[in-house]
Amino acid sequence: AAGVIQSPRHLIKEKRETATLKCYPIPRHDTVYWYQQGPGQDPQFLISFYEKMQSDKGSIPDRFSAQQFSDYHSELNMSSLELGDSALYFCASSLRENTEAFFGQGTRLTVV
Amino acid sequence: DAKTTQPPSMDCAEGRAANLPCNHSTISGNEYVYWYRQIHSQGPQYIIHGLKNNETNEMASLIITEDRKSSTLILPHATLRDTAVYYCIVRASTGANSKLTFGKGITLSVRP
Repeated sequence: AAGVIQSPRHLIKEKRETATLKCYPIPRHDTVYWYQQGPGQDPQFLISFYEKMQSDKGSIPDRFSAQQFSDYHSELNMSSLELGDSALYFCASSLRENTEAFFGQGTRLTVV
Repeated sequence: DAKTTQPPSMDCAEGRAANLPCNHSTISGNEYVYWYRQIHSQGPQYIIHGLKNNETNEMASLIITEDRKSSTLILPHATLRDTAVYYCIVRASTGANSKLTFGKGITLSVRP
C-alpha cells in the first residue's frame, strides 16, 4: 500500500539559509500534519491542514510557513535557519480529521 | 500538555506478552485512545485506537477500563523488532483539534 512520501530524506543547510520540505500524503487523504523532533525529544506538532486550509497550529516559529496544495501535497518552508532547527521533520496524513494518521519516514535537517 | 502518563520504560522477554499501561484520568467522553510506536528515528507507526470497547488487530490488543481512565496495550508475542518507544495519546474524535500530542512515551526493550 502507498505510504506518506517525504522529500528530501536528508538535507544539510547553512545558518540563515532557506529550506523547503515536501510531503506527499497517502492517495485520497485530505489532512496533513507536520511534526518536529529534536535530538532525544518527542515529536512536537507544528501545523496541520484539512482540505487545503490550515486547521491547527502548534509551536511553529514565525520563520516557518506551510501550505497544502490542490493535489493535497504539502510543503514546509523554513527561512533564516538556525542551528536549533536541526531535527527530524515528520509529515503525517489521514482521511479527514480525527481518523488514524500515518507518518512518513521523515526528513533529517542538519543546519551547520 | 499530553493528557496521558506512562512509565518511562519496561522490558519483556522475547515470545512473551508485553503489557504497556497508560493512565488518562482526565479523558473526555468524545476522546479516543490512540497508540503509536517509534522505532529509532523512524516515523511513528500507528498501532491501534479505541473509544471504550476493547479492540484487537493484527498488531496488538487494546484494553480500556470501564471508567476509561486507563488502558493497556498488549503485544501478545513480543519480538526483538518490537523494541521501540510506545506512545499512548488521547485525541478528540470530532472537531478541528485533531492533532496527535506526543508525551514522553514508554521505552519497551525486548530481550532475547
